[in-house]
Amino acid sequence: RKEVEQDPGPFNVPEGATVAFNCTYSNSASQSFFWYRQDCRKEPKLLMSVYSSGNEDGRFTAQLNRASQYISLLIRDSKLSDSATYLCVVRYGGFKTIFGAGTRLFVKA
Amino acid sequence: EAGVAQSPRYKIIEKRQSVAFWCNPISGHATLYWYQQILGQGPKLLIQFQNNGVVDDSQLPKDRFSAERLKGVDSTLKIQPAKLEDSAVYLCASSPGQGPDTQYFGPGTRLTVL
Repeated sequence: RKEVEQDPGPFNVPEGATVAFNCTYSNSASQSFFWYRQDCRKEPKLLMSVYSSGNEDGRFTAQLNRASQYISLLIRDSKLSDSATYLCVVRYGGFKTIFGAGTRLFVKA
Repeated sequence: EAGVAQSPRYKIIEKRQSVAFWCNPISGHATLYWYQQILGQGPKLLIQFQNNGVVDDSQLPKDRFSAERLKGVDSTLKIQPAKLEDSAVYLCASSPGQGPDTQYFGPGTRLTVL
């Protein structure tokens, strides 16, 4: 089993739709969780951190479920510019960082 | 503020040849990371430096890969000899501390091994 697993995608949604991605992790000692965004042939960029109480940044909402060992990302009112690969990132052991394989999202007009 | 610089941006070599990549992190960033990203996969950490010391190199194939950060600033990653499966994008990232939330990535070097 991979340490971090994501919905494989691709997700094809129309503009304005709401879409959700899940990510599961295997190490219960995981301490920090993040979502990164990666555009085609570009480098990853931090989208948002994921806090235990859940957090929201505009149209993006991230949640953490430690009991079931998964995190989620919800995107509301999808825009064409949201088309990208979304990478789940888990950190444990003080510094060890594991990236998921990513979920591809295509938003169509 | 200048971002993370990497060179070259693209490199094509034949298997068994050697190749080196260079990274200059954001000024003042103590931590430097090298990742390998194979097409369709997420970045895999190869090595992490804190200043000029190695924090984690557990996933670095040490029989062929080496990396150094001698003065605690820029870094080089070398592959010798290269294999076909080394074809990937090599990403360098830096951060003030050790948390992934503060990692800033460079544009990467796309390596093709023929």
